[in-house]
Parts: sequence; structure tokens; C-alpha cells
Amino acid sequence: DAGVTQSPTHLIKTRGQQVTLRCSPKSGHDTVSWYQQALGQGPQFIFQYYEEEERQRGNFPDRFSGHQFPNYSSELNVNALLLGDSALYLCASSLLGGDYGYTFGSGTRLTVV
Amino acid sequence: GQQLNQSPQSMFIQEGEDVSMNCTSSSIFNTWLWYKQDPGEGPVLLIALYKAGELTSNGRLTAQFGITRKDSFLNISASIPSDVGIYFCAGPLFTGGGNKLTFGTGTQLKVEL
Repeated sequence: DAGVTQSPTHLIKTRGQQVTLRCSPKSGHDTVSWYQQALGQGPQFIFQYYEEEERQRGNFPDRFSGHQFPNYSSELNVNALLLGDSALYLCASSLLGGDYGYTFGSGTRLTVV
Repeated sequence: GQQLNQSPQSMFIQEGEDVSMNCTSSSIFNTWLWYKQDPGEGPVLLIALYKAGELTSNGRLTAQFGITRKDSFLNISASIPSDVGIYFCAGPLFTGGGNKLTFGTGTQLKVEL
């Protein structure tokens, strides 16, 4: 049973560019959350998607946007990249209303130069 | 916003030692979660605590939900080399739209040479 799959694993972008990160949730999960983890810090919640809608959002600017598809997979888009956006981006899937069975992917390491 | 502080920030372990770490919050949580993150991987759930005063074990790991609901503790007995990694506490925050995890600052376990 595949867990959470994220792509790409690593990415280098230039300031001002746009990036799209992808996530396929664990089989049976219907909710996808995205987290940003800067080096040496704990993950910070970006937003959560369920039924193709954004249900909750953390303290991130509108440059961060997302989407969930009918098959529950999700994308995270970041526009006008800043150096400070360099981080590990983690996707976590879960079953809404279930216990805290969040399953995290291995993440996408984004470097902005 | 809510902040979870973990201590110690890092510690060195020798094989066979017992390890203790804690997590404190400025706010009350009704659930505490402990995760471990290995290099290049996403966090993996170790233990979930649902009731104040609860003591829960998972193999050599034991975690406690503080009586005040503002802290939690994790102990590792008879540590082994594969215990090396970063340990995060996390608390879920519910809103009408869904839930999100607030992560602690992390405790990094290293092997003492």
C-alpha cells in the first residue's frame, strides 16, 4: 500500500519564478494538508484541502495557493518566489473525522536562488 | 499564535542510555502527538495522547500527557543507534472547517562518539 507520494523530490528555482508541487495521498485518505519546514524548525501549517476546497489556512500569504483534484491528489503553488521560501514542503494526508492518522510524505526540497 | 517549546534542543546519547524530553505550550491542548523525523523523510507518528494524565507506551517509548494539558513528556529507554533523529511534539487545533497540527521546535538526538 503506497503511502503519500510527493514530486519532485528536489527543485531549484530563481527568485520571482513560480513553482508547483504535487502530492498523492495515501490510499483511502480524503484530506490533504501542506506544511512548510524551514531548516532546523518544525513544520508550519500552510493549508488543508477536503472535497476540493480549502478548509483551513495558516499564516501564509496569498502567493501560496493550492488545489485538490477529484482523485484527492493535491498541488501547492507558490508565486513570486522569495529566498525565504526555500524549505522542505511536506504533504500529509488523513481521513477527515478519523483519528490523528496523518501520513506524511518525504517532502519536496525547494531551493530559491 | 500558539507555540510549542521543546527541550532540550539537542542531546547526545550513548547506546543503552535512557532519554527524556519535554514539550510545553502557552495554550491548552486536548491531544498531544509525538513524531520522529529522520533525515530526508517526513515525520512519523510515534505516540498519541488523548487524556490529561495519560501515560502511553509504544515499545521502548513512553509518553505522558501533562495534568495541566499544557505539557507532555517523551521518554526513550535503552536507546539504540536508530533512535537518532529529530523528535517533534504536536498538538491539533480544531476549527469548524477542519484541523491543523502545531509542531514544536524539535529535539535532535545525536550519537555521542
